[in-house]
Formats: sequence, C-alpha cells, structure tokens
Amino acid sequence: ILNVEQSPQSLHVQEGDSTNFTCSFPSSNFYALHWYRWETAKSPEALFVMTLNGDEKKKGRISATLNTKEGYSYLYIKGSQPEDSATYLCASDSLNDYKLSFGAGTTVTVRA
Amino acid sequence: GAVVSQHPSRVICKSGTSVKIECRSLDFQATTMFWYRQFPKQSLMLMATSNEGSKATYEQGVEKDKFLINHASLTLSTLTVTSAHPEDSSFYICSAPSRGEETYEQYFGPGTRLTVT
Repeated sequence: ILNVEQSPQSLHVQEGDSTNFTCSFPSSNFYALHWYRWETAKSPEALFVMTLNGDEKKKGRISATLNTKEGYSYLYIKGSQPEDSATYLCASDSLNDYKLSFGAGTTVTVRA
Repeated sequence: GAVVSQHPSRVICKSGTSVKIECRSLDFQATTMFWYRQFPKQSLMLMATSNEGSKATYEQGVEKDKFLINHASLTLSTLTVTSAHPEDSSFYICSAPSRGEETYEQYFGPGTRLTVT
C-alpha cells in the first residue's frame, strides 16, 4: 500500500478565482498517477492519467502537472465556477497492476 | 467514458445478516474488478481484486470469509458482507479498468452506503 497524501484537505474559493492543490506519492516504482473528480452521490470521474515526468495535461479549465522524481502532482483550477465544487482524488499505481492507492482527497467549495 | 453501475446505493441491515452488493460494467467487459472501502474522512482503501473465472485476491487484513466476492461474468462482480456487524458500516465502491490509448483508466461505480444496526 502506497502512502499517498493530498493537501489541503479542503479549501474554499471565490467564484472566478484560480486555485491549486497537491498530491504527493512515493516516487519509487512509480507507474501512473490518476486524478478523479468526485461529486456527492455520483461515481468518481476520471480527469487525468499521467505517467511521464514533466507531464502536463489539461481539460477545460482544469490542468495537472506531474513530477515523478520528487513524487508530487499539482491540480489547477482556473477561474473556478460553482460546478467545480467537488472532492478531487489522486491515486498512484506503482506496478501497472490496476491497483490504486488513494489520497484522502481535497474538497473544493466554490462560493458564488 | 465507460459506465459502471452499483446496486444498491444505500442499504441498512441488522447485525448478523448478510448483504450483497452488485457491481456491473455496462458497456465494456471487465475480467478484473476492484472493491474499495472508505471510512469517514479517510482514503478509499483497496479491499480485494475480483477475477472473472478465478478466486478473488484479498489485501492484507481483509477477511475473505467475511467479504465474499464472486465474479460471475465479464460484466458482474458481487460483494457479500456476511454476518454483518456495526463495524462493517462503511462506504463500499467498485471499479473496473479499461485500457485506453496511453494507459488504462479505472471506472468507478457510484458506491454503496452500508449501515449495520
């Protein structure tokens, strides 16, 4: 079981502001880093799967970077909107065996 | 993206009874599915890997006789919590991997909230 940590645990953002938060994971035996967006009563929605050091991926106003050497990933939300309110989970896969080790999540609340 | 369903979404049962949770991949086949559990304010923790046509493999500390897993077909895995006790009350969620262009993605069901009274 990998020790994946996310910070902060929660944050409140004013509509229109940008924000970012962190996922740290063991850099040894790294295979892939996954980001999910999880709204209450819904399935976690896959945002990004990142494998290469220096990877940057973007989906609309959300983007993520990956540093496998130091074991961290940032998720950025640009121009936050109320619909961005959700819990964002990151998960690491060290062996390409489909088993994910999750962080506890960062819960984002966007205030209108 | 692919869709995974899970049923029921919420169940309340009495201590000592058994509860079955179903996980289905609706538009793709999954020879492997995963079962996770989440306690309040904690991470999703992998419980077991469900394998179609063979026995499930359990993570350390997870009792296989307590949490029975059956992968009946390429689209269905079931988790049965046997002789449930209040400490089994938790959020249970399943996932199934599907290969993509670069790597794979895990598709999750919406989860099941189990309350044992």
